[in-house]
Amino acid sequence: AQTVTQSQPEMSVQEAETVTLSCTYDTSESDYYLFWYKQPPSRQMILVIRQEAYKQQNATENRFSVNFQKAAKSFSLKISDSQLGDAAMYFCAYRYFLETSGSRLTFGEGTQLTVNP
Amino acid sequence: DTEVTQTPKHLVMGMTNKKSLKCEQHMGHRAMYWYKQKAKKPPELMFVYSYEKLSINESVPSRFSPECPNSSLLNLHLHALQPEDSALYLCASSQVGIQNYGYTFGSGTRLTVV
Repeated sequence: AQTVTQSQPEMSVQEAETVTLSCTYDTSESDYYLFWYKQPPSRQMILVIRQEAYKQQNATENRFSVNFQKAAKSFSLKISDSQLGDAAMYFCAYRYFLETSGSRLTFGEGTQLTVNP
Repeated sequence: DTEVTQTPKHLVMGMTNKKSLKCEQHMGHRAMYWYKQKAKKPPELMFVYSYEKLSINESVPSRFSPECPNSSLLNLHLHALQPEDSALYLCASSQVGIQNYGYTFGSGTRLTVV
């Protein structure tokens, strides 16, 4: 079974500093996709960044970047120049495709990020 | 239009009531999903619809009944719920066969069963 593990239930960072959120996953699939979602108190799940497993280059979206280590099954998120609006629950997610039943998106337990002014 | 719209945003219902949650998207996505989320927990998959057909039911109790009347609309019919069913219910949609774009989520319906 595919599992996603986030070992940091809570993290905090000072405004303008950098923070890294950890994620590991377990899979026997070779073709899959990884995502980081952000869920602020407004409850909306917002896609932060995505990574295709077949790509060796780490994804970057403005202040957000990932460190994807396929052999280690690790997918960490780095937030640079943290802003107050980055405060949210962050979920790591794994997506894979099943021929007969569509795709599945499985989430880790989440990391609650606090940004201190 | 790049949104998934869920109504109502809040719902309080008694254990003998029948109610429905509605989800709508106009992005041309042909896969739609229902998730249940308890406080401080990740979303848990309930149902998956692909091309308006139910493709995954994660052993959800029959008091939850999904319906996909067309490619833009997804309903979740609720009947005889229990207090432990109180949660945030999230709808999502995605392209079928294009895996790297993730899902687009609605902002959810906060359900309280009394």
